[in-house]
Amino acid sequence: KAGVTQTPRYLIKTRGQQVTLSCSPISGHRSVSWYQQTPGQGLQFLFEYFSETQRNKGNFPGRFSGRQFSNSRSEMNVSTLELGDSALYLCASSLAVGGRRGYTFGSGTRLTVV
Amino acid sequence: DQQVKQNSPSLSVQEGRISILNCDYTNSMFDYFLWYKKYPAEGPTFLISISSIKDKNEDGRFTVFLNKSAKHLSLHIVPSQPGDSAVYFCAALGSGNTGKLIFGQGTTLQVKP
Repeated sequence: KAGVTQTPRYLIKTRGQQVTLSCSPISGHRSVSWYQQTPGQGLQFLFEYFSETQRNKGNFPGRFSGRQFSNSRSEMNVSTLELGDSALYLCASSLAVGGRRGYTFGSGTRLTVV
Repeated sequence: DQQVKQNSPSLSVQEGRISILNCDYTNSMFDYFLWYKKYPAEGPTFLISISSIKDKNEDGRFTVFLNKSAKHLSLHIVPSQPGDSAVYFCAALGSGNTGKLIFGQGTTLQVKP
């Protein structure tokens, strides 16, 4: 079956702009989480959605937001982009919230802010 | 505050030998631990996990050991293969129904032929 699909794979944006990233989970998976990976901070949790509801949120400013649709697809949005937002954004899906069944990650979206 | 630490940024081993990757954690509320492998330009791939009620879990060439009193876990790969060369992340989950994975900084493993 198809894995976790993230689009686009690469993105270049200018400071101050906003960006929307998309994630399609594995069919049947209802939990979607987002992570930011940077060289300095490593992999950091952004938020987790289950059944269209945000279940957990990491320590990121309000410029970072997300949502989940009824088909479990998820989007994350970053407004007023800063240079420090340049990172690999990873989406992961799981059958249920909690993660004990394991998360499957997508290949990520590489965002570069110039 | 780094709750999950992988103190060795890199490790190099010879093909066929054992690779031991280490991970320490500070939060005693973590009750589930996972190891992920990551190749460049790909997302992390789940390898193996362990519940805090166990001290060992084995899956093929991969074994994870958990020492709760020391707040330490390790991943053993035996025998190591060149295809195992990648970045390995240790991650922890807290008790309750939270899916917030707390990752270590990763260890780059190089397996030499």
